[in-house]
Amino acid sequence: AQKITQTQPGMFVQEKEAVTLDCTYDTSDPSYGLFWYKQPSSGEMIFLIYQGSYDQQNATEGRYSLNFQKARKSANLVISASQLGDSAMYFCAMREAGGSQGNLIFGKGTKLSVKP
Amino acid sequence: NAGVTQTPKFQVLKTGQSMTLQCAQDMNHEYMSWYRQDPGMGLRLIHYSVGAGITDQGEVPNGYNVSRSTTEDFPLRLLSAAPSQTSVYFCASSYSLLAGGRETQYFGPGTRLLVL
Repeated sequence: AQKITQTQPGMFVQEKEAVTLDCTYDTSDPSYGLFWYKQPSSGEMIFLIYQGSYDQQNATEGRYSLNFQKARKSANLVISASQLGDSAMYFCAMREAGGSQGNLIFGKGTKLSVKP
Repeated sequence: NAGVTQTPKFQVLKTGQSMTLQCAQDMNHEYMSWYRQDPGMGLRLIHYSVGAGITDQGEVPNGYNVSRSTTEDFPLRLLSAAPSQTSVYFCASSYSLLAGGRETQYFGPGTRLLVL
């Protein structure tokens, strides 16, 4: 079973509008971390935002926020006021207590296209 | 700081050839990892290291070898290249990969490998 599921292979959003990228996860560990990365067409992986399983509040970083619903095991990324430069692949990832010493498990990604 | 550097940026191999992908970091990170990225698959962990002299296998280790003689360097060796190893390879490093930890992994720019 997939540990990280991103159900939207591709998304379109109008410039200046908000967009939500979905991510659900599966773990039995009580302690875990959730990450979002951006991968532009140039290929590098850029860290965007982090949410810990014990964090009481949803994480925010500038125009990025994470809608963390622990009971539903979802960690959706919200990008407000989309910009053309937001066009990229977005990956959700999880770090668990067990497994490979806490290395990241990635979803398959969502390709976001921002329309002018 | 140069961060995480990878060489080469692009490589073409023939089936059966061997080669080493280089990875170096200058942030004094203990943890280093190798991932491969295939279309529609996200990133998958190949091997990782929690410190000099200590390595372990990830999700897809077959056909790859690693060693960690220094904190800075973590080379990935392809023993006998196969077309199935055509991929983009990312090296990453971190101070700590403790579960629930906020520490993100910093990624190198990637190496594109084509095996004919």
